[in-house]
Amino acid sequence: GQQVMQIPQYQHVQEGEDFTTYCNSSTTLSNIQWYKQRPGGHPVFLIQLVKSGEVKKQKRLTFQFGEAKKNSSLHITATQTTDVGTYFCAGPHTGAGSYQLTFGKGTKLSVIP
Amino acid sequence: DVKVTQSSRYLVKRTGEKVFLECVQDMDHENMFWYRQDPGLGLRLIYFSYDVKMKEKGDIPEGYSVSREKKERFSLILESASTNQTSMYLCASIMTSGYNEQFFGPGTRLTVL
Repeated sequence: GQQVMQIPQYQHVQEGEDFTTYCNSSTTLSNIQWYKQRPGGHPVFLIQLVKSGEVKKQKRLTFQFGEAKKNSSLHITATQTTDVGTYFCAGPHTGAGSYQLTFGKGTKLSVIP
Repeated sequence: DVKVTQSSRYLVKRTGEKVFLECVQDMDHENMFWYRQDPGLGLRLIYFSYDVKMKEKGDIPEGYSVSREKKERFSLILESASTNQTSMYLCASIMTSGYNEQFFGPGTRLTVL
């Protein structure tokens, strides 16, 4: 079945350092979504990428979708303590009308003040 | 704003008990999902429903059943709870237009003793 792999599993950074998490799918994706889960919270949608090679920015967050639409990355510039949490990527199951998502296992980010 | 609510934030049950977890969404979403989240394993899909009285198995349906009698309500049932079902349970619903983002409830942390 479809697999979505995410690395690293954990990342500890000093406040102000950059952070990147990588996502790889075993199959070509029609789109990829990113979610953030704060400690004690639930996943919250951040963004969706659809086009091959697409790059989107949200303030200090930069999201990329690979040319082959099988990989993606999330880069945070100059991390802040508010960035703490677990970041998940998710890709849709193949098949028309399928709204199922396969989630990566997430990257847990800790920011040391 | 979309709101997804879950009946309990914390629940403690005994082995062998029948457990009901309720999820309600207020945005007329057709698709609803139940996940369990465990450390290091990410989000795993238990069941989903794409319409009233319709259900589909996800990746880990064993030991669980679901009920969707009304569009806004999706229930997860543990027929005979076991200790390995101790977990965080997350409900989600999805828009079927636009970004197809999943909206998550706050989660129920279930402990089975």
